[in-house]
Amino acid sequence: VQLVESGGGLVQPGGSLRLSCAVSGFTFSNYVMTWVRQAPGKGLEWVTTIWHDGSIKYYVDSVKDRFFISRDNFKNTLFLQMNTLRAEDTAIYYCVTGHWLDYWGQGTLVTVSS
Amino acid sequence: DVVMTQSPLSLPVTLGQPASISCRSSQSLVDSDGNTCFHWFQQRPGQSPRRLIYRVSNRDSGVPDRFSGSGSGTDFTLKISRVEAEDVGIYYCMQCTHWPPITFGQGTRLDIK
Repeated sequence: VQLVESGGGLVQPGGSLRLSCAVSGFTFSNYVMTWVRQAPGKGLEWVTTIWHDGSIKYYVDSVKDRFFISRDNFKNTLFLQMNTLRAEDTAIYYCVTGHWLDYWGQGTLVTVSS
Repeated sequence: DVVMTQSPLSLPVTLGQPASISCRSSQSLVDSDGNTCFHWFQQRPGQSPRRLIYRVSNRDSGVPDRFSGSGSGTDFTLKISRVEAEDVGIYYCMQCTHWPPITFGQGTRLDIK
């Protein structure tokens, strides 16, 4: 199982970023997928989960209507579109399998700062 | 939302000695089918988290048998029978019985005395 996140970087408050997670080693289309984040020096925070077919999506309240999770089961890729970014969104974003969080990627750092 | 409270938050341990971390949930994690969605994670310095224990007491593949999980309802424990240097890191508990949201404990930092 391999999960490789990309797309992080420095963005100004109010800006947007799109994270990607390329997966391999398992049948992606059969799996629920999750994004978890970790602010610098802080603990883990669940962000969002998407059903295997994309039919159901859940979000933590703090990102609702700003972040949008999606997936491309043909390209084995998970996405996180992040809009109207705030300083408090600064974190490492991890792509994780399932909602039992079986396997984790290495993470991609998002820094929101002017 | 279910609040997960870990103790202690800092755990200095002598090599070869046992260690124990407690996690308490604000409500029972047993669902209507009698299942408990509760897991433990380890995050070594500079690494991504990895799951150690799933469904309270089941070790993930490759996890040494010195790690064990127990508990029920609202009280859970992670035990390390003999701490080794590679066990240094932060340990998190997590519940997924009452989700969304999935919630984590604050983390317990284990280091060597």
